[in-house]
Amino acid sequence: NAGVTQTPKFQVLKTGQSMTLQCAQDMNHEYMSWYRQDPGMGLRLIHYSVGAGITDQGEVPNGYNVSRSTTEDFPLRLLSAAPSQTSVYFCASSALGTGNGQPQHFGDGTRLSIL
Amino acid sequence: AQKITQTQPGMFVQEKEAVTLDCTYDTSDPSYGLFWYKQPSSGEMIFLIYQGSYDQQNATEGRYSLNFQKARKSANLVISASQLGDSAMYFCAMREASSGGSNYKLTFGKGTLLTVNP
Repeated sequence: NAGVTQTPKFQVLKTGQSMTLQCAQDMNHEYMSWYRQDPGMGLRLIHYSVGAGITDQGEVPNGYNVSRSTTEDFPLRLLSAAPSQTSVYFCASSALGTGNGQPQHFGDGTRLSIL
Repeated sequence: AQKITQTQPGMFVQEKEAVTLDCTYDTSDPSYGLFWYKQPSSGEMIFLIYQGSYDQQNATEGRYSLNFQKARKSANLVISASQLGDSAMYFCAMREASSGGSNYKLTFGKGTLLTVNP
């Protein structure tokens, strides 16, 4: 009953380093997305995907790359970390279907600090 | 303009009382969905309740109900009989049917921190 699994849970990086945040789901969900959460800002969408091979930008995509080679996995890459990317990152997934009622299921988050 | 507005940064309620958390939204899309999520201090995001724009009745899930006033564009969360474990951040979110290339994107409000006092 894993749901959405994010790794690592915590990470400290130095400015300029690169890193990949991992996200995997076992619910066969077509839709996956990445959010960042900053104090007082709610959650903001970074990138999303509606299926393997299909990705698109969200509200705050700069500095992040994604790919979707399988239904299960949706990694988020920071190519050159900046202090402004210090945040809590959430991965979420949902089934595609008719109507708007499919809730997104969230991972437990990755707390990332850039020094 | 903000699509989701939660005007209460913080709310306090006594245990066993009811509390209403406000959410107003802005959309010109006739088809949309509204969600409420709970984020306890441990950090995970927990889905609570959903209301569709075409739903005739207000959504209910256990102690949670949604006071949906479509003409006023409000979707307030009502928690009845508050418990200490209800202390958390609560987020309102909206999905619009015609949002960009995918109608599954969620737009979140900034949240309301609820504290339940014993």
